[in-house]
Amino acid sequence: QKEVEQDPGPLSVPEGAIVSLNCTYSNSAFQYFMWYRQYSRKGPELLMYTYSSGNKEDGRFTAQVDKSSKYISLFIRDSQPSDSATYLCAMRGTSGSRLTFGEGTQLTVNP
Amino acid sequence: NAGVTQTPKFQVLKTGQSMTLQCAQDMNHNSMYWYRQDPGMGLRLIYYSASEGTTDKGEVPNGYNVSRLNKREFSLRLESAAPSQTSVYFCASRGQGDTEAFFGQGTRLTVV
Repeated sequence: QKEVEQDPGPLSVPEGAIVSLNCTYSNSAFQYFMWYRQYSRKGPELLMYTYSSGNKEDGRFTAQVDKSSKYISLFIRDSQPSDSATYLCAMRGTSGSRLTFGEGTQLTVNP
Repeated sequence: NAGVTQTPKFQVLKTGQSMTLQCAQDMNHNSMYWYRQDPGMGLRLIYYSASEGTTDKGEVPNGYNVSRLNKREFSLRLESAAPSQTSVYFCASRGQGDTEAFFGQGTRLTVV
């Protein structure tokens, strides 16, 4: 079983929709939770990160972490065609430097 | 500011050939990583180096070797390439205490 599970999609939504992306994990040692965005034929770029449980908001993006359920989410409000990309969740513990990724969810926002 | 630079960007190898993928970062980061990305599998860690002089196996190390040449450079070597190693390879680096890992643009490798 993978340490991090993520629905690969693909997910297709109309412009302006609210998008919900999710990951579950099994390793209770994970403390840092991140979302990366990857455009086609590019390397991943950090979008948001959260330490431990809670919510974090940045513009149209909200990241949520529920450590009790081992579940993290990324919400995109008022989605735009420029949000079309693959979104990867990633996480690591407080010690060491291994970063574990989910499979990635391919999102298309249609104008 | 170049960030993380990978060479080459594209490569085609024949089965059994060897090659080295190069990665260099100019951000004075301690940690460097090599990942491979395959459809349906996401990013999988091959090897990482937490600091200069140390390397550790990741999730899928078989068939690969690495060298942390100095703080800037972390190379990945395929001694005898196999078709199963056809993939997109990403190098990444992260500073001590930092959350964000910075990725290179990737190397698209095809083994025929």
